[in-house]
Amino acid sequence: DAGVIQSPRHEVTEMGQEVTLRCKPISGHNSLFWYRQTMMRGLELLIYFNNNVPIDDSGMPEDRFSAKMPNASFSTLKIQPSEPRDSAVYFCASSFTGAKNIQYFGAGTRLSVL
Amino acid sequence: RKEVEQDPGPFNVPEGATVAFNCTYSNSASQSFFWYRQDCRKEPKLLMSVYSSGNEDGRFTAQLNRASQYISLLIRDSKLSDSATYLCVVTPAQDMRFGAGTRLTVKP
Repeated sequence: DAGVIQSPRHEVTEMGQEVTLRCKPISGHNSLFWYRQTMMRGLELLIYFNNNVPIDDSGMPEDRFSAKMPNASFSTLKIQPSEPRDSAVYFCASSFTGAKNIQYFGAGTRLSVL
Repeated sequence: RKEVEQDPGPFNVPEGATVAFNCTYSNSASQSFFWYRQDCRKEPKLLMSVYSSGNEDGRFTAQLNRASQYISLLIRDSKLSDSATYLCVVTPAQDMRFGAGTRLTVKP
């Protein structure tokens, strides 16, 4: 079982640049979650999808952040333009509704915006 | 008030010690409860589910008190490999609400 796959693992970019993070959920899972983790704020839910439809995006910090899920096996989180305060680890997780919604996390993308 | 609050820690204990973590949650409609473990620079991983009757998995015991909206995790005979951050997780709906985590360091 491949698990949740995220890419890239590390991203270093300059302020103002566009950043795209990618996620492939576990096959058969129908919910996908994007989180951001920092030392100061802990693990924050940004947005989640159910059956490819965004259900709750109240955690998205501002309009610079957008997320898409064009199909059941792929999602992106885009930041445009990026700012130094966006530096964090971004996790993607997936779950199957009905299996107690247990979430399985990818290894994360460590983003540094200079 | 945060939805899920945990002991801030850090907890520094010697090998073999028993250590307990507590967690409270605010949404009384929450249905499922879990403890996740996160190692340094790694992703959170499910440690165990928490059931109303309490449940045990080896050295780990989890308990839930719905009336008090309180969850606990007890680790007996702690090992060096137990050093990690332990996240309390509550599921009010389809999504999960994570506590800030309690950091545990087990020392030789």
